[in-house]
Amino acid sequence: AQTVTQSQPEMSVQEAETVTLSCTYDTSESNYYLFWYKQPPSRQMILVIRQEAYKQQNATENRFSVNFQKAAKSFSLKISDSQLGDTAMYFCAFMKQSGGSNYKLTFGKGTLLTVNP
Amino acid sequence: EPEVTQTPSHQVTQMGQEVILRCVPISNHLYFYWYRQILGQKVEFLVSFYNNEISEKSEIFDDQFSVERPDGSNFTLKIRSTKLEDSAMYFCASSGRTGSGYTFGSGTRLTVV
Repeated sequence: AQTVTQSQPEMSVQEAETVTLSCTYDTSESNYYLFWYKQPPSRQMILVIRQEAYKQQNATENRFSVNFQKAAKSFSLKISDSQLGDTAMYFCAFMKQSGGSNYKLTFGKGTLLTVNP
Repeated sequence: EPEVTQTPSHQVTQMGQEVILRCVPISNHLYFYWYRQILGQKVEFLVSFYNNEISEKSEIFDDQFSVERPDGSNFTLKIRSTKLEDSAMYFCASSGRTGSGYTFGSGTRLTVV
């Protein structure tokens, strides 16, 4: 079974600064996907970024980028130029690639990020 | 952009009552899911559904739970006899090809009193 660990329950950052959220995971799979989801106070789950394990290049989406270290089973999220709207709970999630008819997500416990003005 | 629609957004029910949570997945998606999030806790997998049958369910998804895709568009989660501990946010999600990441609905907040 896969596990996802987010060791930082809460973090804060000043507006316009950069912050990095940590995530580690445990799996025996060699092919999989990793995701970061954002959950603002509205509680909507919003996909921020995804990474395919077979790709060595780190994924980037505008101000969001990841540092994917496959050997270390680490998948951190960097948010540059933080904005007040980035205040949210951030969940790291894992998905097996060869799930057959099931591609369930396994989530970490989340990191509550607060961006201060 | 296509959306997953969930109704109602908030439901209050008495313990022991049956509830049906409704979802309209994205029309060309093939995989459908229900997840649960108890307030302040992590998001937990309940069940996945593909080709008109359950493909996997968690230990949370006991005999009190059932899912159905009664027509080509709706996907429902039924809780037969609600308990206080069923109070949570319930998210429906759908996905197309594997690894694309889900699209989640905005959730139904279920409160059992």
